[in-house]
Amino acid sequence: DARVTQTPRDKVTEMGQEVTMRCQPILGHNTVFWYRQTMMQGLELLAYFRNRAPLDDSGMPKDRFSAEMPDATLATLKIQPSEPRDSAVYFCASGWSSGRFYNEQFFGPGTRLTVL
Amino acid sequence: AQTVTQSQPEMSVQEAETVTLSCTYDTSENNYYLFWYKQPPSRQMILVIRQEAYKQQNATENRFSVNFQKAAKSFSLKISDSQLGDTAMYFCAFMALTGANSKLTFGKGITLSVRP
Repeated sequence: DARVTQTPRDKVTEMGQEVTMRCQPILGHNTVFWYRQTMMQGLELLAYFRNRAPLDDSGMPKDRFSAEMPDATLATLKIQPSEPRDSAVYFCASGWSSGRFYNEQFFGPGTRLTVL
Repeated sequence: AQTVTQSQPEMSVQEAETVTLSCTYDTSENNYYLFWYKQPPSRQMILVIRQEAYKQQNATENRFSVNFQKAAKSFSLKISDSQLGDTAMYFCAFMALTGANSKLTFGKGITLSVRP
């Protein structure tokens, strides 16, 4: 049963600390998305990659957030320094795309981040 | 840009009865997918049903069916024989099949409570 995995499941940290969230996409998927969910804003796309290359990170605050794919089996989202307003659930999703065609996305269980 | 509107913040239904969740969207795209995702308290985003815009026939998955009205840009979800396990937040989402808009745009969600 292929699924997207994310670690950690929950993270509590203090303001100013660095936070790294990890995602393992489904094997064979070449497109990875990062979403953030808050009560106020709902689900927002932060960034996405295809074949490990960033395609769009316009939804991500550039000064403190960074997203990378060191290899095809790992995507990371880093916040440095973290702030209380970053508290949210962060979802990773993966799918398959080719050329201009995209297939549906499968979501991981999310990382609940609390910044005190 | 695409927009997805779920105007009802919450609904309640008696177990075994039928409930319909509303969703409207706005887009200039011609080829797209529409989705309903379920998010139970476990926070996992679960794909409930998918509709391809080019298909006239409404999608059905067991107790879940949609009423897709392309001209009206309406995409409602009907849950028949509601079960306690259907209690969750439900999100309507849009994804263009090609190009720069091939990312999920979500509505704000609706909280569904199934009463015993």
